[in-house]
Amino acid sequence: AQKVTQAQTEISVVEKEDVTLDCVYETRDTTYYLFWYKQPPSGELVFLIRRNSFDEQNEISGRYSWNFQKSTSSFNFTITASQVVDSAVYFCALSGGSGNTGKLIFGQGTTLQVKP
Amino acid sequence: DADVTQTPRNRITKTGKRIMLECSQTKGHDRMYWYRQDPGLGLRLIYYSFDVKDINKGEISDGYSVSRQAQAKFSLSLESAIPNQTALYFCATSDFRAYNEQFFGPGTRLTVL
Repeated sequence: AQKVTQAQTEISVVEKEDVTLDCVYETRDTTYYLFWYKQPPSGELVFLIRRNSFDEQNEISGRYSWNFQKSTSSFNFTITASQVVDSAVYFCALSGGSGNTGKLIFGQGTTLQVKP
Repeated sequence: DADVTQTPRNRITKTGKRIMLECSQTKGHDRMYWYRQDPGLGLRLIYYSFDVKDINKGEISDGYSVSRQAQAKFSLSLESAIPNQTALYFCATSDFRAYNEQFFGPGTRLTVL
């Protein structure tokens, strides 16, 4: 069965600190996709990144970076120099596998609070 | 205009009432999904559909039903709402040719009293 675990329920940092959100996944499939979504207080889900299982290259987008390591089944997300606007719930999700239904398996979410 | 829309955005109802949540999309995707979000549990899949004639149960389908009226429309019904169905509901679409990326609607906040 597929599973995503975000062990950090809540994280609180002071503005300009770096913060890493952990994501560990379980799957027996060789082809799968990993995602991060942001949910700001307004409630909508904002797509941040998708990673394919066959591409372990890390990615940087501005203050955001992602570290994908198949050896440890982890897909961690780092925000550098955090800002108050980064305060949100962040979800890691997994998709793919047998039949490739496209459905997403979500982690429990990590609530990030960035204090000024 | 938004690619995936949901109506209503907010709804308060009473136990035992029938409720329908509607989802429409203009992305032309065949695949549509309904998820439910509860605090501390993330999002969980209720139902999904690959086309008008294809409906599949997700992880938590009990107490829900769906209808795919057209490629662009996917409705979720609660035949007899109960308080523990109070949650935030999301509709999503995806294009399997685009690496399963899903596009979410804005969500419907449902409260069952």
